[in-house]
Amino acid sequence: GQSLEQPSEVTAVEGAIVQINCTYQTSGFYGLSWYQQHDGGAPTFLSYNGLDGLEETGRFSSFLSRSDSYGYLLLQELQMKDSASYFCAVSRDDKIIFGKGTRLHILP
Amino acid sequence: EAQVTQNPRYLITVTGKKLTVTCSQNMNHEYMSWYRQDPGLGLRQIYYSMNVEVTDKGDVPEGYKVSRKEKRNFPLILESPSPNQTSLYFCAVGGGRYSPLHFGNGTRLTVT
Repeated sequence: GQSLEQPSEVTAVEGAIVQINCTYQTSGFYGLSWYQQHDGGAPTFLSYNGLDGLEETGRFSSFLSRSDSYGYLLLQELQMKDSASYFCAVSRDDKIIFGKGTRLHILP
Repeated sequence: EAQVTQNPRYLITVTGKKLTVTCSQNMNHEYMSWYRQDPGLGLRQIYYSMNVEVTDKGDVPEGYKVSRKEKRNFPLILESPSPNQTSLYFCAVGGGRYSPLHFGNGTRLTVT
């Protein structure tokens, strides 16, 4: 089967760095994506890793290691507006499968 | 501006009364899909379409129908809604192998 595991909640302090992990049990997928969803809003695309390694987009970075079946999203210089849910997702064949999401709480 | 338009935003209905949630896009993208989101379960794919007249089941297709008669529209049809279909629904454009998903604003459906 296919499954993605990520922590249900993470708490961090404003200005700090937080890492949200995603482990998966699937093979033959094309890449790992990350999406952000604020309360009441739609998910929005953050980043995509098609190859192993680190991808950086401003304060956000994402990492993929296919050999370890593992990826993470790194958020730096946390701001209150980063309080949201974050989903990892894999693209496999013609489907995109999501993890259950990680709720990020940011403390002032 | 790339847009995915979903309607309605909110819908309350009764068991067994057929309903349709519409989705249209101006991105000229072949790939469209429907997801439902429930607390603790994340986003689960209902149906997807790789092109006009091509649709396929996702992970939770039971109780739903879709059609793709033209590229820009991908309606979700509930022929006989039941309370367990109460959920938040999202239409998405893109995806497949390398393309990110662009989501509509969502439809919150309540079936009583």
